[in-house]
Amino acid sequence: EIVLTQSPDFQSVTPKEKVTITCRASQSIGSSLHWYQQKPDQSPKLLIKYASQSISGVPSRFSGSGSGTDFTLTINSLEAEDAAAYYCHQSSSLPLTFGGGTKVEIK
Amino acid sequence: EVQLVESGGGVVQPGGSLRLSCAASGFTFDDYAMHWVRQAPGKGLEWVSLISGDGGSTYYADSVKGRFTISRDNSKNSLYLQMNSLRTEDTALYYCAKDAPPVVPGANAFDIWGQGTMVTVSS
Repeated sequence: EIVLTQSPDFQSVTPKEKVTITCRASQSIGSSLHWYQQKPDQSPKLLIKYASQSISGVPSRFSGSGSGTDFTLTINSLEAEDAAAYYCHQSSSLPLTFGGGTKVEIK
Repeated sequence: EVQLVESGGGVVQPGGSLRLSCAASGFTFDDYAMHWVRQAPGKGLEWVSLISGDGGSTYYADSVKGRFTISRDNSKNSLYLQMNSLRTEDTALYYCAKDAPPVVPGANAFDIWGQGTMVTVSS
């Protein structure tokens, strides 16, 4: 099983600040890494697929990078509405797995 | 509008059974693999099961293998999860999720999620 380790677990950030969340895979997964946002009491929402591919309707301040075992989700100029939990997810091999999540709080 | 709507959750005793359903609309259902993903209260996401578009291939997390069965009825645009021998650790919000396009071997990102249906296993 491929283990995804996210860091940090929690981040308290002021608006307009830049946020960086990392996801490390226990073995190489190429670019089969996806990012989701989950706001309180809502279903997860796909933000980025295949490490860096943007999703229609997702604000351009969200971007992804990385390949192999190390991946990054960047939120440029954080807005209040970005308060949420963020999860990475790998589809390289079964069983599919998720990272433990990163909670982003707005100061 | 592309939509997934789950139903069938509830409270069940340990050892009991439950069948979840997911009604799909707004897309060509049998083109895409479908998944069940769960989230225990206050916890992260856990993938549960996958079924291919034609229903011919199914996969399970080790934690549910042998107890849960995923199926689909493409004529009804519906996905199901039969859950038997339920345990307290199966308590969670269960989401159905759709593979994103393009269709790929195996699995893809999940581009559409339902609102979830809550399963509580308790005596």
